[in-house]
Amino acid sequence: DIQMTQSPSSLSASIGDRVTITCRASQSISNSLNWYQQRPGKAPDLLIYFASTLQDGVPSRFSGSGSGTDFTLTINGLQREDFATYYCQQSYTTLVYTFGQGTKVEMK
Amino acid sequence: EVYLVESGGGLAQPGVSLRLSCAASGFTFSNFAMSWVRQAPGKGLEWVSGVGPSGATTYYADAVKGRFTISRDNSKNTLHLQINSLRTEDTAIYYCARVISYHSDFWGQGTLVTVSS
Repeated sequence: DIQMTQSPSSLSASIGDRVTITCRASQSISNSLNWYQQRPGKAPDLLIYFASTLQDGVPSRFSGSGSGTDFTLTINGLQREDFATYYCQQSYTTLVYTFGQGTKVEMK
Repeated sequence: EVYLVESGGGLAQPGVSLRLSCAASGFTFSNFAMSWVRQAPGKGLEWVSGVGPSGATTYYADAVKGRFTISRDNSKNTLHLQINSLRTEDTAIYYCARVISYHSDFWGQGTLVTVSS
């Protein structure tokens, strides 16, 4: 199975900060990488798919990059509503789409 | 508008079986793969199972293979997850999600399964 490793597991940031979260796959997954945001008590929301394509309705301060094994989610200008947990997910293996362990973004 | 509504969760004893359902509306259900994802209390997301649009192809995480069965009834726009021999580690919120082009764009609000004696 493909393992996904996110770092850091948590981070503290302030409104307006630039935040970067990384995700590493245990083998090459091309650009088959998705990012989700989950707020407490809510279902996950899709942010980015195919590593860098922004889902409809997602603010442009979110961006994704990478291919192969190393990927990055960047939030430029953190807003209050962005304090949440973020998950990467590989979709390289047919309908067995494993997640990273999550990164919690907390207010400093 | 797309809606996914899970049901069937609750308190169950170890060893029994449970069947979760996900009622879909607002889209042509039979055109999309579907999936189940779970989240144990205070933990991260765990992909559990996926099924192709016709139901002919099914996929499972290694952790649940042999005990979980995913199925769908396209005539009733409903997705199911049969869980046998429940274990305490199956305690989680179970989400159903629509799969499109290798990502999950719509999610239900989840149903909580608690396994305890």
